[in-house]
Amino acid sequence: SQQGEEDPQALSIQEGENATMNCSYKTSINNLQWYRQNSGRGLVHLILIRSNEREKHSGRLRVTLDTSKKSSSLLITASRAADTASYFCATGDTGRRALTFGSGTRLQVQP
Amino acid sequence: EAQVTQNPRYLITVTGKKLTVTCSQNMNHEYMSWYRQDPGLGLRQIYYSMNVEVTDKGDVPEGYKVSRKEKRNFPLILESPSPNQTSLYFCASSSWDRDSSPLHFGNGTRLTVT
Repeated sequence: SQQGEEDPQALSIQEGENATMNCSYKTSINNLQWYRQNSGRGLVHLILIRSNEREKHSGRLRVTLDTSKKSSSLLITASRAADTASYFCATGDTGRRALTFGSGTRLQVQP
Repeated sequence: EAQVTQNPRYLITVTGKKLTVTCSQNMNHEYMSWYRQDPGLGLRQIYYSMNVEVTDKGDVPEGYKVSRKEKRNFPLILESPSPNQTSLYFCASSSWDRDSSPLHFGNGTRLTVT
């Protein structure tokens, strides 16, 4: 099944800096979603970008999608300590109504 | 408040002792799903349901059962748990759209099988 793979696996930055996470996937998708997970808790949906979109913004989040390279990036601007979490990309498969998740990027924002 | 509720939050059991993890959502969502999360493997789908009495296998269904008798509930059943089912389990739900809608997750059930 198709799968998103995040890069890097772990990222440590200072508060106020920008954080960029990348996601690559293998097959055609209908949409790509980003989720955040605070330690041991449920995932929270951040943003969804459809296959016919190239860029999307939501507050301090900016997501890009390049379907020719089968990749996406999530940029968090002006990071805060509260952004410390794991971030997952998930690819949408309408045929099975399944979201396939990658293994995530662990972001640590130092105050 | 819109939410997905899983119980219990933590569960320790022994090999072979049947258990059920409950999941309930109050958003009238048609779609519900179970995932397990293991270090380095991300989230893997166990089973999903598109509506009442409609269930289907995900990527790792072996050793699990589900049922969808009511729209709001989607329990996960382990008939004979084994240590390799020790994991963090998440229930999730979403509305039915032509595309994959955002999933709403429960807070998880951490299961340990000894």
